[in-house]
Amino acid sequence: DTGVSQDPRHKITKRGQNVTFRCDPISEHNRLYWYRQTLGQGPEFLTYFQNEAQLEKSRLLSDRFSAERPKGSFSTLEIQRTEQGDSAMYLCASSTQRQASSYEQYFGPGTRLTVT
Amino acid sequence: LAKTTQPISMDSYEGQEVNITCSHNNIATNDYITWYQQFPSQGPRFIIQGYKTKVTNEVASLFIPADRKSSTLSLPRVSLSDTAVYYCLVGDPLTPLVFGKGTRLSVIA
Repeated sequence: DTGVSQDPRHKITKRGQNVTFRCDPISEHNRLYWYRQTLGQGPEFLTYFQNEAQLEKSRLLSDRFSAERPKGSFSTLEIQRTEQGDSAMYLCASSTQRQASSYEQYFGPGTRLTVT
Repeated sequence: LAKTTQPISMDSYEGQEVNITCSHNNIATNDYITWYQQFPSQGPRFIIQGYKTKVTNEVASLFIPADRKSSTLSLPRVSLSDTAVYYCLVGDPLTPLVFGKGTRLSVIA
């Protein structure tokens, strides 16, 4: 179990540019979640997948955001025409419904986005 | 989703037991109570989860009264490395999590 990995760990971009982040979940996990976290706040849900199907998308999520999980394994989150307000930590988590004793989401280290 | 209320911050000395209480008056029958810990610049990490009564693992205990309208996370003999933000969440743990602002615990030497 190598844990959830995210790439890149840090991204600095200029306003108006597009960025794409990648998340590799724990291999046997069928659910994958994206969250966003700004300073001093708890993580905020963006979207989640079960296998390759996108099950839910936050109503707060702008149309500039899109996520995919094409083969039910890794996922990408793209932000088009970035704005300064997009600056945040983007967190990925994964889970499986087949738990031994508890139901938990395993979080990756996050990708910190800075829009200048 | 049930809303939770917990203290914004707490201070403790090393070696003491820390209890963080979370209020969740509108908890639903199928909801679990889950606590996560988060260090700066890291993703949250699962600590403990329960449905009712008491749950204990190697890092913490979770006390849940019969009415389930509150819960208490107990951290025995904290150390400096326990300084973190602790989140109380209520709901289906396999659906998207709803985080509040959490409790910022500062452990002092």
